[in-house]
Amino acid sequence: DQQVKQNSPSLSVQEGRISILNCDYTNSMFDYFLWYKKYPAEGPTFLISISSIKDKNEDGRFTVFLNKSAKHLSLHIVPSQPGDSAVYFCAAGRISGSARQLTFGSGTQLTVLP
Amino acid sequence: NAGVTQTPKFRILKIGQSMTLQCTQDMNHNYMYWYRQDPGMGLKLIYYSVGAGITDKGEVPNGYNVSRSTTEDFPLRLELAAPSQTSVYFCASSYSGEGEKLFFGSGTQLSVL
Repeated sequence: DQQVKQNSPSLSVQEGRISILNCDYTNSMFDYFLWYKKYPAEGPTFLISISSIKDKNEDGRFTVFLNKSAKHLSLHIVPSQPGDSAVYFCAAGRISGSARQLTFGSGTQLTVLP
Repeated sequence: NAGVTQTPKFRILKIGQSMTLQCTQDMNHNYMYWYRQDPGMGLKLIYYSVGAGITDKGEVPNGYNVSRSTTEDFPLRLELAAPSQTSVYFCASSYSGEGEKLFFGSGTQLSVL
Protein backbone atom coordinates (compact mmCIF):
# COMPACT_ATOMS: atom_id res chain seq x y z
CA ASP A 1 0.00 0.00 0.00
CA GLN A 2 1.76 3.13 -1.25
CA GLN A 3 0.92 5.95 1.10
CA VAL A 4 2.86 8.46 -1.02
CA LYS A 5 2.45 8.34 -4.76
CA GLN A 6 4.16 10.11 -7.61
CA ASN A 7 2.14 9.00 -10.58
CA SER A 8 4.35 10.53 -13.26
CA PRO A 9 7.61 8.60 -13.65
CA SER A 10 8.98 11.24 -15.99
CA LEU A 11 8.46 14.83 -17.13
CA SER A 12 10.13 16.84 -19.90
CA VAL A 13 10.07 20.63 -19.92
CA GLN A 14 11.66 23.30 -22.08
CA GLU A 15 14.29 25.51 -20.47
CA GLY A 16 12.75 28.68 -19.05
CA ARG A 17 9.29 27.18 -18.68
CA ILE A 18 7.59 26.01 -15.49
CA SER A 19 8.06 22.46 -14.19
CA ILE A 20 5.26 21.06 -12.04
CA LEU A 21 5.87 17.83 -10.16
CA ASN A 22 2.97 16.22 -8.34
CA CYS A 23 2.63 14.02 -5.28
CA ASP A 24 -0.44 12.47 -3.62
CA TYR A 25 -0.71 10.95 -0.18
CA THR A 26 -3.33 8.86 1.56
CA ASN A 27 -2.41 9.06 5.26
CA SER A 28 -4.22 12.00 6.86
CA MET A 29 -1.80 11.86 9.80
CA PHE A 30 1.02 13.24 7.65
CA ASP A 31 1.66 16.86 8.51
CA TYR A 32 5.13 17.49 7.16
CA PHE A 33 6.25 17.13 3.56
CA LEU A 34 9.64 17.33 1.91
CA TRP A 35 11.06 17.27 -1.59
CA TYR A 36 14.42 15.73 -2.36
CA LYS A 37 16.43 15.98 -5.55
CA LYS A 38 18.72 13.23 -6.79
CA TYR A 39 21.38 13.35 -9.49
CA PRO A 40 22.78 10.10 -10.96
CA ALA A 41 25.38 8.38 -8.78
CA GLU A 42 24.63 10.74 -5.90
CA GLY A 43 22.43 10.52 -2.84
CA PRO A 44 19.20 12.52 -2.55
CA THR A 45 19.60 16.08 -1.28
CA PHE A 46 16.98 18.08 0.57
CA LEU A 47 15.27 20.73 -1.55
CA ILE A 48 12.29 22.24 0.25
CA SER A 49 9.71 21.36 2.90
CA ILE A 50 6.27 22.43 4.05
CA SER A 51 4.21 21.79 7.14
CA SER A 52 0.46 21.35 7.11
CA ILE A 53 -0.16 24.72 8.75
CA LYS A 54 0.88 26.33 5.49
CA ASP A 55 -0.37 25.92 1.95
CA LYS A 56 2.67 27.38 0.23
CA ASN A 57 6.40 27.65 0.80
CA GLU A 58 8.90 29.37 -1.49
CA ASP A 59 12.65 29.16 -1.81
CA GLY A 60 14.03 30.98 -4.82
CA ARG A 61 12.85 29.26 -7.99
CA PHE A 62 11.20 26.46 -6.01
CA THR A 63 7.70 26.63 -4.55
CA VAL A 64 5.80 23.83 -2.88
CA PHE A 65 2.00 23.94 -2.69
CA LEU A 66 -0.04 21.83 -0.30
CA ASN A 67 -3.74 21.05 -0.74
CA LYS A 68 -4.71 19.22 2.44
CA SER A 69 -8.29 18.54 1.46
CA ALA A 70 -7.10 16.82 -1.73
CA LYS A 71 -4.09 15.23 -0.01
CA HIS A 72 -1.96 16.62 -2.79
CA LEU A 73 1.26 18.56 -3.01
CA SER A 74 3.15 19.94 -5.94
CA LEU A 75 6.58 21.36 -6.59
CA HIS A 76 6.87 24.25 -9.03
CA ILE A 77 10.20 25.19 -10.56
CA VAL A 78 10.25 28.55 -12.34
CA PRO A 79 12.13 29.10 -14.55
CA SER A 80 13.38 25.59 -15.23
CA GLN A 81 17.07 25.19 -15.98
CA PRO A 82 19.01 22.27 -17.52
CA GLY A 83 20.76 21.79 -14.17
CA ASP A 84 17.38 20.97 -12.65
CA SER A 85 17.33 17.69 -14.59
CA ALA A 86 17.23 15.06 -11.84
CA VAL A 87 14.92 12.65 -10.06
CA TYR A 88 12.63 14.36 -7.55
CA PHE A 89 11.24 12.44 -4.57
CA CYS A 90 8.50 13.66 -2.31
CA ALA A 91 8.40 12.41 1.26
CA ALA A 92 5.81 12.69 4.01
CA GLY A 93 5.94 12.33 7.76
CA ARG A 94 4.86 13.87 11.02
CA ILE A 95 6.48 16.92 12.61
CA SER A 96 6.11 15.40 16.06
CA GLY A 97 7.39 12.08 14.84
CA SER A 98 10.86 11.18 13.81
CA ALA A 99 12.60 11.03 10.47
CA ARG A 100 12.38 7.24 10.71
CA GLN A 101 8.71 7.69 9.87
CA LEU A 102 9.28 9.41 6.54
CA THR A 103 7.52 7.70 3.64
CA PHE A 104 8.95 8.32 0.18
CA GLY A 105 7.32 8.37 -3.22
CA SER A 106 8.85 6.53 -6.16
CA GLY A 107 10.26 9.64 -7.80
CA THR A 108 9.77 11.65 -10.98
CA GLN A 109 12.57 12.04 -13.52
CA LEU A 110 12.60 15.67 -14.67
CA THR A 111 14.40 16.50 -17.91
CA VAL A 112 14.84 20.16 -18.79
CA LEU A 113 15.57 20.55 -22.47
CA PRO A 114 17.86 23.39 -23.58
CA ASN B 1 33.19 18.72 5.18
CA ALA B 2 32.63 15.17 3.86
CA GLY B 3 29.07 14.70 5.20
CA VAL B 4 27.92 11.09 4.85
CA THR B 5 30.39 8.69 3.24
CA GLN B 6 29.47 5.22 2.00
CA THR B 7 31.76 2.44 0.78
CA PRO B 8 31.89 0.60 -1.53
CA LYS B 9 30.10 2.33 -4.40
CA PHE B 10 29.53 -0.90 -6.31
CA ARG B 11 29.63 -4.57 -5.37
CA ILE B 12 28.65 -7.87 -6.93
CA LEU B 13 27.96 -10.78 -4.59
CA LYS B 14 27.20 -14.42 -5.18
CA ILE B 15 24.15 -15.93 -3.50
CA GLY B 16 24.99 -16.87 0.08
CA GLN B 17 27.98 -14.55 0.44
CA SER B 18 28.21 -11.95 3.18
CA MET B 19 29.36 -8.37 3.19
CA THR B 20 29.29 -5.16 5.17
CA LEU B 21 28.31 -1.81 3.74
CA GLN B 22 30.17 0.95 5.52
CA CYS B 23 28.72 4.34 6.45
CA THR B 24 30.32 7.16 8.36
CA GLN B 25 29.26 10.76 9.00
CA ASP B 26 31.25 13.70 10.33
CA MET B 27 28.37 16.03 11.24
CA ASN B 28 27.94 14.70 14.79
CA HIS B 29 24.39 13.64 13.95
CA ASN B 30 22.59 11.45 16.46
CA TYR B 31 20.24 9.72 14.01
CA MET B 32 21.45 7.42 11.24
CA TYR B 33 19.46 5.35 8.75
CA TRP B 34 19.80 2.72 6.07
CA TYR B 35 17.44 2.80 3.10
CA ARG B 36 17.17 0.69 0.01
CA GLN B 37 15.77 1.78 -3.31
CA ASP B 38 14.48 -0.73 -5.80
CA PRO B 39 13.77 0.27 -9.43
CA GLY B 40 10.56 2.30 -9.73
CA MET B 41 10.05 2.34 -5.99
CA GLY B 42 10.52 4.83 -3.21
CA LEU B 43 13.19 4.55 -0.55
CA LYS B 44 12.34 2.00 2.10
CA LEU B 45 13.81 2.11 5.60
CA ILE B 46 15.82 -0.97 6.63
CA TYR B 47 17.23 0.00 10.04
CA TYR B 48 17.83 3.17 11.97
CA SER B 49 19.73 4.30 15.05
CA VAL B 50 18.98 7.15 17.45
CA GLY B 51 22.45 7.12 18.99
CA ALA B 52 25.47 4.98 19.75
CA GLY B 53 24.42 1.58 21.06
CA ILE B 54 20.76 1.96 20.01
CA THR B 55 19.31 0.49 16.84
CA ASP B 56 15.84 -0.47 15.69
CA LYS B 57 14.12 -2.09 12.72
CA GLY B 58 12.55 -0.16 9.91
CA GLU B 59 10.08 -1.30 7.29
CA VAL B 60 12.23 -3.99 5.56
CA PRO B 61 14.82 -5.37 8.06
CA ASN B 62 14.83 -9.05 7.09
CA GLY B 63 18.22 -10.31 5.90
CA TYR B 64 20.15 -7.40 7.40
CA ASN B 65 21.89 -6.50 10.64
CA VAL B 66 23.34 -3.25 11.97
CA SER B 67 25.46 -1.99 14.81
CA ARG B 68 26.23 1.48 16.13
CA SER B 69 29.30 1.46 18.34
CA THR B 70 30.18 5.12 17.69
CA THR B 71 28.26 8.26 16.73
CA GLU B 72 30.09 8.39 13.41
CA ASP B 73 29.70 4.85 12.06
CA PHE B 74 26.66 2.76 11.15
CA PRO B 75 27.60 -0.36 9.13
CA LEU B 76 24.97 -2.56 7.47
CA ARG B 77 25.64 -6.30 7.35
CA LEU B 78 24.22 -8.76 4.83
CA GLU B 79 24.76 -12.30 6.12
CA LEU B 80 23.44 -14.58 3.37
CA ALA B 81 23.00 -12.55 0.23
CA ALA B 82 19.91 -13.28 -1.88
CA PRO B 83 18.90 -11.95 -5.33
CA SER B 84 16.05 -10.03 -3.63
CA GLN B 85 18.71 -7.87 -1.97
CA THR B 86 19.87 -6.50 -5.31
CA SER B 87 19.23 -2.80 -4.83
CA VAL B 88 20.79 0.60 -4.26
CA TYR B 89 21.51 1.22 -0.60
CA PHE B 90 21.62 4.69 0.93
CA CYS B 91 22.87 5.66 4.32
CA ALA B 92 21.55 8.90 5.83
CA SER B 93 21.84 10.94 8.98
CA SER B 94 19.99 13.72 10.77
CA TYR B 95 20.60 15.72 13.93
CA SER B 96 17.47 15.08 15.94
CA GLY B 97 15.12 13.14 13.69
CA GLU B 98 12.09 15.26 14.48
CA GLY B 99 10.58 16.00 11.10
CA GLU B 100 14.02 17.03 10.01
CA LYS B 101 15.71 16.75 6.67
CA LEU B 102 18.03 13.85 6.05
CA PHE B 103 21.57 14.01 4.70
CA PHE B 104 22.28 11.11 2.35
CA GLY B 105 25.42 9.35 1.22
CA SER B 106 26.00 8.70 -2.47
CA GLY B 107 24.78 5.11 -2.34
CA THR B 108 26.02 1.56 -2.88
CA GLN B 109 24.84 -0.35 -5.96
CA LEU B 110 24.66 -4.02 -4.91
CA SER B 111 23.97 -6.91 -7.27
CA VAL B 112 23.46 -10.46 -5.98
CA LEU B 113 23.85 -13.09 -8.68
